Amino acid sequence: DAGVIQSPRHEVTEMGQEVTLRCKPISGHNSLFWYRQTMMRGLELLIYFNNNVPIDDSGMPEDRFSAKMPNASFSTLKIQPSEPRDSAVYFCASTGWGEKLFFGSGTQLSVL
Amino acid sequence: DAKTTQPNSMESNEEEPVHLPCNHSTISGTDYIHWYRQLPSQGPEYVIHGLTSNVNNRMASLAIAEDRKSSTLILHRATLRDAAVYYCILSFRGSSNTGKLIFGQGTTLQVKP
Repeated sequence: DAGVIQSPRHEVTEMGQEVTLRCKPISGHNSLFWYRQTMMRGLELLIYFNNNVPIDDSGMPEDRFSAKMPNASFSTLKIQPSEPRDSAVYFCASTGWGEKLFFGSGTQLSVL
Repeated sequence: DAKTTQPNSMESNEEEPVHLPCNHSTISGTDYIHWYRQLPSQGPEYVIHGLTSNVNNRMASLAIAEDRKSSTLILHRATLRDAAVYYCILSFRGSSNTGKLIFGQGTTLQVKP
C-alpha cells in the first residue's frame, strides 16, 4: 500500500492566490482528517470527514478555508484568497477503524 | 476533550531505555490513550495505544497507571532514529468521533550517541 498521498509536497504562492491541496487516503479507510502544523500553534485539526461527509469543521480558521471529499479516494483543502499567515505544513491523515491514524508526508505551503 | 501534560523535552543515551511520562488526570472511562511520534520533516506516525491494560508492540511498551491518570511510553533501547517529538493523546471512541485526535505540544526526545 502506498499510504496516504498528498500533493504537492511544496507550494509557494503569492498572497491573494488560490491554493488547492490534495489528498488520497489509504484505500478502504472511511475517515479523513486535515491538520495544519506551525511552530507557534503545533498540530491543529482543521476538519475531518467520515464516509465522505464532513463531521467537524470547527478547526477551520475562517471562511477562506474550505474542504471537500467528493469520493472515498480523494479530498481537497482550498484556501482562497491565501495570506502569509497561512504558511504552514498541511497534513492529511486517514483511518479505517479509528484505531490508528496514518499520515501523509505533508504539503509545505509558503505564502509570500 | 480531556487534556494531557508532558514534559517539553527529554534526553536519553543511545541503547538505553527511555521512559516518557504523560499525565491525564481528567481522563474518562471511555478515553483511549494513544502515542504518536513525529520524526523531523515527516508526518506523525502511530506508536501504540491502550485503554486499561499495559500494551506491548514491536516499537514500544505502554504502561498505564491503575487509576489511568497517567501513563508511560517505554522505548526499551533507544536508537538515534528514535529522536522525535512524542505525543500522548486521549481519544474518545464514540461513533461520532472516529479516530479524532487532538495533538498537544508533545515531548521532544533527544538521543545522544
